[in-house]
Parts: sequence; structure tokens; C-alpha cells
Amino acid sequence: NAGVTQTPKFQVLKTGQSMTLQCAQDMNHEYMSWYRQDPGMGLRLIHYSVGAGITDQGEVPNGYNVSRSTTEDFPLRLLSAAPSQTSVYFCASSRTVMNTEAFFGQGTRLTVV
Amino acid sequence: AQKVTQAQTEISVVEKEDVTLDCVYETRDTTYYLFWYKQPPSGELVFLIRRNSFDEQNEISGRYSWNFQKSTSSFNFTITASQVVDSAVYFCALNSGAGSYQLTFGKGTKLSVIP
Repeated sequence: NAGVTQTPKFQVLKTGQSMTLQCAQDMNHEYMSWYRQDPGMGLRLIHYSVGAGITDQGEVPNGYNVSRSTTEDFPLRLLSAAPSQTSVYFCASSRTVMNTEAFFGQGTRLTVV
Repeated sequence: AQKVTQAQTEISVVEKEDVTLDCVYETRDTTYYLFWYKQPPSGELVFLIRRNSFDEQNEISGRYSWNFQKSTSSFNFTITASQVVDSAVYFCALNSGAGSYQLTFGKGTKLSVIP
């Protein structure tokens, strides 16, 4: 099983550029989410989705957009990249809400210069 | 509000030593779930254990054991006879409240096991 697949693994952006981080899961999980990991900060929730067509904001949503047109895919869009968005991004999925085991993607290391 | 505190930022032990990673949580909910995840140097996050608030039994899995104490709001993780492969960042996480969609992570403890 592929599990949760994130692309790209690494990305360098210039300030002001936009891009989309891709996330796909093949486990038919309803719940998907995006986290960012910064040194000394743990992981913080950006956006989440409880099913196709349903998304909501997490703890740190500013500067990011999401959509969920299918159960499998949950892309994260950076509208106008800023150096403060330099981070490692993780996509996660779980069978239900977050009281069950979450499966994480390999992460995307993003640098904004 | 929910919070997870991992007071130990970094720990170094010599191989074969036992080590305990501390996790203290805060929540007002009576139903909640606690997790431990491992992040090895390769960067992925690996699920280790899930525990709900109604099950206070300690758990052992090989060299790993977990001590859940509601009285002190702690969910500590012990590695017995540590090995170099245990070197990683370990995160404690909390999900609380009915239908809560957020997993709140601690800041992590970096464990280095020295040969």
C-alpha cells in the first residue's frame, strides 16, 4: 500500500510565488489534514477536511488554502509565499476524526527565499 | 483548550541504558486520546501507540512501555535497553473533545543513543 503520498519532497520558492503541495491517500480515509513542523514548535494544524467537499481551518491557516474534491486528494495551496512559510509540511489521514491512528506522508521541505 | 508539554528537549543516553520520555497534558474533556509518534532522522512520522482516557492500564511492547497516569495528567514513554536505532525525535500528542478534529502535539524530545 502506498498510504499517504506527498509531492514534492523538496521545494524552493521566491517570495510572492504560489504553489500547490499535493497529498493523496489510498486508504479511503475520510479525515485528512495538513500540519507544519517548525524547529522547537512541534506540529501545528493548518487545515483539515472531514470528507469530500468539507474543509475547515486549523491553528495556523493564514496564507494557505485547501480544497477536497475527492476522498483521495487534499492539496495545500500557498497563495503568495512568504519567508515565514519556510517549514516542513506533513499531510495526514485517518479513518475517522483524530482519535484514531493518523498516517503521515513523508513530508515536504519548503524554503521561501 | 488542550496542551501537551514535553519538558525534555534533548536527551542523550549510552546504548543499553533505559530512558524515560516525559509527557504532561492538559484538557478539560473527560474523553480524550493520547498518542506517541516517532520521527527518525529520515523525517517520517511513525505511530507508536494510542491510549484513550478510560484505559489506564500500562502497556508494554517489546522494549517500549507506556505509563498513563490520569492523576498527574502524564503519559510517559520508557525505552528499555536503548539501541542506536531508537535515536529519533519523539512526539506526544493529544486529541480531546467529542468530534475534535485536532491533534495537539508537544514540541518533541530528541533522543540520541550513543554507541
